[in-house]
Amino acid sequence: GESVGLHLPTLSVQEGDNSIINCAYSNSASDYFIWYKQESGKGPQFIIDIRSNMDKRQGQRVTVLLNKTVKHLSLQIAATQPGDSAVYFCAEIPRGRFGAGTRLTVKP
Amino acid sequence: ETGVTQSPTHLIKTRGQQVTLRCSSQSGHNTVSWYQQALGQGPQFIFQYYREEENGRGNFPPRFSGLQFPNYSSELNVNALELDDSALYLCASSLGSSPELYGYTFGSGTRLTVV
Repeated sequence: GESVGLHLPTLSVQEGDNSIINCAYSNSASDYFIWYKQESGKGPQFIIDIRSNMDKRQGQRVTVLLNKTVKHLSLQIAATQPGDSAVYFCAEIPRGRFGAGTRLTVKP
Repeated sequence: ETGVTQSPTHLIKTRGQQVTLRCSSQSGHNTVSWYQQALGQGPQFIFQYYREEENGRGNFPPRFSGLQFPNYSSELNVNALELDDSALYLCASSLGSSPELYGYTFGSGTRLTVV
């Protein structure tokens, strides 16, 4: 069946290092993806999005890469900060298929 | 503060009861989606409303129903509650019928516990 999933449930990095969070999807017809950040006790917060006609999109300290050949996307966070500690989800919108999430922990 | 308000923040219900959860969106946000997020899981799409009509539904039984009102508020109703319905329920609103154009804004959720 269709699914959107994440490779790793947890990721721990040192403050200042770069973080890479991965996501796999199985629906080849998916054409729009969003990365969300969810802090404890809060709803998901939009980080960055990408359409299937793009391979890469950059924001402030974040970059999303999309590889349609292997149906994989990744979120790269540059110079990770303690405030980046959260659970990160990739999602296919608008039908909202979310992965289980990756918990990012930033060590000072 | 995201502009999407959900109430109540926490709720405890007994198995078999009915519950109504509420969401108040920003003015002009005529698309609203509801999600169920079990502990340690990603949000699961329940359904979406656009201009007061349901226009998409996930794999949830009919005892999950919704309403959207002209004042940009909406409700999620769950009948005959089961223990597995315990979860965080999120609503997300968008300015238009194409969230990929306008983005989604999520509320902080209602934590429902069924005992």
